[in-house]
Amino acid sequence: NAGVMQNPRHLVRRRGQEARLRCSPVKGHSHVYWYRQLPEEGLKFMVYLQKENIIDESGMPKERFSAEFPKEGPSILRIQQVVRGDSAAYFCASRDRGAEAFFGQGTRLTVV
Amino acid sequence: ELKVEQNPLFLSMQEGKNYTIYCNYSTTSDRLYWYRQDPGKSLESLFVLLSNGAVKQEGRLMASLDTKARLSTLHITAAVHDLSATYFCAVDMGLGGDKIIFGKGTRLHILP
Repeated sequence: NAGVMQNPRHLVRRRGQEARLRCSPVKGHSHVYWYRQLPEEGLKFMVYLQKENIIDESGMPKERFSAEFPKEGPSILRIQQVVRGDSAAYFCASRDRGAEAFFGQGTRLTVV
Repeated sequence: ELKVEQNPLFLSMQEGKNYTIYCNYSTTSDRLYWYRQDPGKSLESLFVLLSNGAVKQEGRLMASLDTKARLSTLHITAAVHDLSATYFCAVDMGLGGDKIIFGKGTRLHILP
């Protein structure tokens, strides 16, 4: 029973490129969360999705960031036209409603 | 506003001493998590606390939950250097308890 799988683990992008971060939830889990952790800081909530729906995106920057959780396949966090300030660790979590959440290993994005 | 406050944020202590980290949260919740994070690493789940009065122990760490006071504590007994890490509490909040909010973390440094 695989846990939450995130890939890639490390991603380097030049300024202006696009970054795509993938999160495969625990099998059967229908709820996915994305968090961002800046260096030396805590985890900040970005977005909460259920299959094919965004439930809460109050923590997402208004521009350049988007997330989806399609009916089939992983959840994707997409960052367009990356800037140096986007460099961070991005964590994904999944769960069934009302149950314990499980976190992935994270993707460390470096923008050069 | 949904808030999770940890204190202290930084803690330097001698090996062999006892100490407690506090986690206050701003609204009703029925699930609280404690995580450990080593530098550059992912989150390691330590405890999940579900009910008022819950107490869980693992080695030198013990966590408790008081839902009436909206307070959880993480107690460290006879600290050892290997426990040096950042410790986060996280609380299920929001509509239906579906949003997980993290505290800023407590950076613990144990001096040999």
